[in-house]
Amino acid sequence: NAGVIQTPRHKVTGKGQEATLWCEPISGHSAVFWYRQTIVQGLEFLTYFRNQAPIDDSGMPKERFSAQMPNQSHSTLKIQSTQPQDSAVYLCASSLGHWGGSETLYFGSGTRLTVL
Amino acid sequence: GDSVIQMQGQVTLSENDFLFINCTYSTTGYPTLFWYVQYSGEGPQLLLQVTTANNKGSSRGFEATYDKGTTSFHLQKTSVQEIDSAVYYCAMREPNSGTYQRFGTGTKLQVVP
Repeated sequence: NAGVIQTPRHKVTGKGQEATLWCEPISGHSAVFWYRQTIVQGLEFLTYFRNQAPIDDSGMPKERFSAQMPNQSHSTLKIQSTQPQDSAVYLCASSLGHWGGSETLYFGSGTRLTVL
Repeated sequence: GDSVIQMQGQVTLSENDFLFINCTYSTTGYPTLFWYVQYSGEGPQLLLQVTTANNKGSSRGFEATYDKGTTSFHLQKTSVQEIDSAVYYCAMREPNSGTYQRFGTGTKLQVVP
């Protein structure tokens, strides 16, 4: 079991460019979560999919951020017109999907996004 | 509103020292509580979890007691080692309608030999 796979590990974009981050959950897990990690805020919830359907996107900034899960083996987080304040580590996690937020989350190693 | 508070941003200890990391939470009812540990270059991984109020969770020498009276879930370890150096996150899943885990800001533990 390779665990949750996130690509790329590092991404550098210029201000105003688009960034797409990829996540492959653990096989057999039906829940996928995205979090943003900064030193000041810690881990902030962004969005949650279960069986590929969006369940809760209450943490997503309404402008410029979007997430999709087109199939059970990958999810993407897209940030349009990136700004310096978007610089952070973006973490993807998966879980079995039976008990929602009460289950163990298995995190990937994250994508470090740097916006110049 | 709902929140998880970790007041200690960084803790520095010597090997074999006692560890105490503070965590308090605010929500309605009795949440499920977690401690995650994140080693350098990796994602967080579950350290321990407690679902029932007043129960204790333990793993790898770490312990945390779910104290509903003080709404706290402090993490303790009797004797830390250098390999315990990491960032520790307290988290909760709100009862009833919680769909995700809400994390604190993390406490960076540095253990010096």
